[in-house]
Order: sequence, then C-alpha cells, then structure tokens
Amino acid sequence: AQTVTQSQPEMSVQEAETVTLSCTYDTSESDYYLFWYKQPPSRQMILVIRQEAYKQQNATENRFSVNFQKAAKSFSLKISDSQLGDAAMYFCAYRSDTSGTYKYIFGTGTRLKVLA
Amino acid sequence: DGGITQSPKYLFRKEGQNVTLSCEQNLNHDAMYWYRQDPGQGLRLIYYSQIVNDFQKGDIAEGYSVSREKKESFPLTVTSAQKNPTAFYLCASSIGQGVDEQYFGPGTRLTVT
Repeated sequence: AQTVTQSQPEMSVQEAETVTLSCTYDTSESDYYLFWYKQPPSRQMILVIRQEAYKQQNATENRFSVNFQKAAKSFSLKISDSQLGDAAMYFCAYRSDTSGTYKYIFGTGTRLKVLA
Repeated sequence: DGGITQSPKYLFRKEGQNVTLSCEQNLNHDAMYWYRQDPGQGLRLIYYSQIVNDFQKGDIAEGYSVSREKKESFPLTVTSAQKNPTAFYLCASSIGQGVDEQYFGPGTRLTVT
C-alpha cells in the first residue's frame, strides 16, 4: 500500500524568506500524481500545486515550486518570498494513476508559521 | 458559483444518536469523498464514490455509512457505533478521470457529548 510521510510537524520562516517543506512517499507504481494542499486557519483546503509523475520538469506556480525526485520518492515544496498569508497547514497527497481508483492518500501535514 | 457546500458548519449531538452530515456539489464531478481530520493525523479517508449508486470503504469506514443516490449529493451518517465521532469532517469532489484534483468543502465540526 502507498504511504505519504511528512516528517516536519512544524516549520517557521521569516517573512520574505524561503522555506522548503518535505514529503516522501512509498509506492511500487510508476504512474501517479502528487499534490500539495494548503489549509489556512479557516480550514478550507486549497490546492497549491500538482505534479504528474511522468513529467521530469518540476511544477511551478508563482512563488510555489516543487523539487520532485522520482527515484528518491521525494516531493518537497519550496515557498519563496514567504508572506504572512502563507501561514497554514500544508498537506502532501498522492493519487495512483494505475489502480483505476481515484483514491487520495494524505500525509499528516506540516504547520508553517510565518514570522513578521 | 460552482463549489461544494457542507452543512451545518458546527453540529452537536448526544452520544447514542445517529447524525447525518450533508455534502452537495454543483461542479458536475463524478467522484466524491469523505475525510475525517483529527489533530496530528492528517486527513483519513472514510468513504469515497466514483459514480452514482456506488461507493467504497476507505481506511476508517467502521461506524459510518454513506449513500450516493444523486451525482450532486454524498451524505455521511455517523452512527452510534462510531466510538469516537467528535472530529472535523471534510467532503471533497473530483472529476474522476484524467488529471484529477480534489475540491474541498468548508467542513463540518461534529461534537458528540
């Protein structure tokens, strides 16, 4: 069975600085998708970024980018120029593209604090 | 506006009572999901449905039941058999094909005393 591990329960970053959140996963599949979701204090889950495993190029969305290392099964999220609004729980998620089901597996989350 | 609605935002029940949480979407998504969120445990899948009139158990289905009679609706019933029902419950939906991503509702906080 697939698993997703986020080993950093909490991280802090100074406003305007860069921070990297870690995520590792375990799977025997070759086709899958990886996601980072943000959950602010309102608890509304928001998609931050998505990566298709077949793509070698790392996904980027404005200040958010990923470092996808397929062989190492690592999928870290880099937030550049951190803003106070980035403070939230961040969840890494995995979805298989070979099992025929659209079941997502989430990590336990990393709480990001942004210091003014 | 398209989206997912969950009602109510806060729900209080006495122990031993069944309670149903509502989830409605107007995104025309085929797949719908229910998650439970507890502190330090991330999101755990309760049930999911990829098509009307069909659903599958997730990792923590015991004490819960669902139905999917309409594409737009996926209600979750927390039964009296659920030993620790107090939690935050999130509903999500997705297209159910291709490059799929989940859209989430605002959640329901259930407190059972």
